[in-house]
Amino acid sequence: NAGVTQTPKFRVLKTGQSMTLLCAQDMNHEYMYWYRQDPGMGLRLIHYSVGEGTTAKGEVPDGYNVSRLKKQNFLLGLESAAPSQTSVYFCASSYISGTRLYNEQFFGPGTRLTVL
Amino acid sequence: GENVEQHPSTLSVQEGDSAVIKCTYSDSASNYFPWYKQELGKRPQLIIDIRSNVGEKKDQRIAVTLNKTAKHFSLHITETQPEDSAVYFCAAKIGSYIPTFGRGTSLIVHP
Repeated sequence: NAGVTQTPKFRVLKTGQSMTLLCAQDMNHEYMYWYRQDPGMGLRLIHYSVGEGTTAKGEVPDGYNVSRLKKQNFLLGLESAAPSQTSVYFCASSYISGTRLYNEQFFGPGTRLTVL
Repeated sequence: GENVEQHPSTLSVQEGDSAVIKCTYSDSASNYFPWYKQELGKRPQLIIDIRSNVGEKKDQRIAVTLNKTAKHFSLHITETQPEDSAVYFCAAKIGSYIPTFGRGTSLIVHP
């Protein structure tokens, strides 16, 4: 199993450009998440999904959109990139199984995005 | 919503010493407390977790303790080694809800 993968690994954008980050998982997990990591700020939740076709806002959703058309994929879009969106982006997934509520999150390798 | 405070933000120890990282949470309904380790340039990975019905859990050199009354939990690393150098994140979770992370502690172990 590849686990959680992210595409691309690195990207440089100019202000105003758009892009889509792709997250894929092959573990049949229900829950998927997008985080951004900035120095001293920890992991901040951008958006998440509790199943195919569903999405919800996290702590810092402004400037981002997401889609979960297939269970294994979770896309993060930046419509008009801003320098404040320079960050490392991590995707994660977790499973829900019956009454098992204590679920580990599996993280992808991250995407380093720079907006000039 | 849940709020998780993590201290210290940076911790520097000598190899062989013990390290303790503390987290407090605000919602008494939280019942699952994982700890993640993130090595430089790598992804966060779960190293240990504890549920609210347990006061302490050990796995070799690492242990986690939970005080539900005070709403705090701690990560203890004994006999630290240079490979323990990393950023450690605590989190708190209520049932199937989304976990809330602390801001992280950068642990530096000097040889």
